[in-house]
Amino acid sequence: GQQVMQIPQYQHVQEGEDFTTYCNSSTTLSNIQWYKQRPGGHPVFLIQLVKSGEVKKQKRLTFQFGEAKKNSSLHITANQTTDVGTYFCAGEVAGANSKLTFGKGITLSVRP
Amino acid sequence: SAVISQKPSRDICQRGTSLTIQCQVDSQVTMMFWYRQQPGQSLTLIATANQGSEATYESGFVIDKFPISRPNLTFSTLTVSNMSPEDSSIYLCSVVLGSGYGYTFGSGTRLTVV
Repeated sequence: GQQVMQIPQYQHVQEGEDFTTYCNSSTTLSNIQWYKQRPGGHPVFLIQLVKSGEVKKQKRLTFQFGEAKKNSSLHITANQTTDVGTYFCAGEVAGANSKLTFGKGITLSVRP
Repeated sequence: SAVISQKPSRDICQRGTSLTIQCQVDSQVTMMFWYRQQPGQSLTLIATANQGSEATYESGFVIDKFPISRPNLTFSTLTVSNMSPEDSSIYLCSVVLGSGYGYTFGSGTRLTVV
C-alpha cells in the first residue's frame, strides 16, 4: 500500500537556526498536505500543495512539492520556540476512495 | 474551516467494556473520518463514515470492534468495543470541507484501558 516516509523523527535546533525536513511517498500523489501538532494538541492543517514543483510560503515556513509529485519539503527560517511541535506530511492519491496517508512526523524542539 | 466538538476528551475504562466517542460538526459534510494515534506515533485511519451508508474500514479494523454511526451530515460516533489495554490511544475524528481546505480534526479522545 501507499507509504509516506519522514526521516528523522526528531530534530533539535537552536533558536534562530534554519530547519528543513523532507517527506517521501512511495507513489505519485495528487496532493500533499502538511500539519502541525503541538504537544497535547491535535493536528492542525498548514498547507496543501497540488502542482508539480509548487512552492508556497507562510511567513517563515516554505513548502515545496517535488517535480515528480512524490516528495515534499518544509523549511523553517530562523526557528522560534513557538515552532516546537510535530510536523506531519500527508499524501493523497487521486481516486474514488482517496484517503490521506500520514507520515510518522518529525518532532521539532527549539533550544532558546 | 469547520469546528468539531469531540466528546469525551479523555476516559479511563475497564477492559471488556465499551466506549462511544461523539463528534459534532458545525457544518454539513459528506465524509467523516476516524483516526487513531498512539502516543508519539502517526495517525492511522480506522474508517470513513458516509451518511446513509455503511462505514468503510481500513485493513486491520473491523466493524464488530469499531462500530460507527453516521445518522446525519453533522454527527458521527465511534464505539470502541470489548476494550483491552492495546486499545489505549488517542482517537480523532476529522472532516474535509473541500479541495484545498485540508482536514480539520476534533480535539481528540484520550482513552486509557486498565
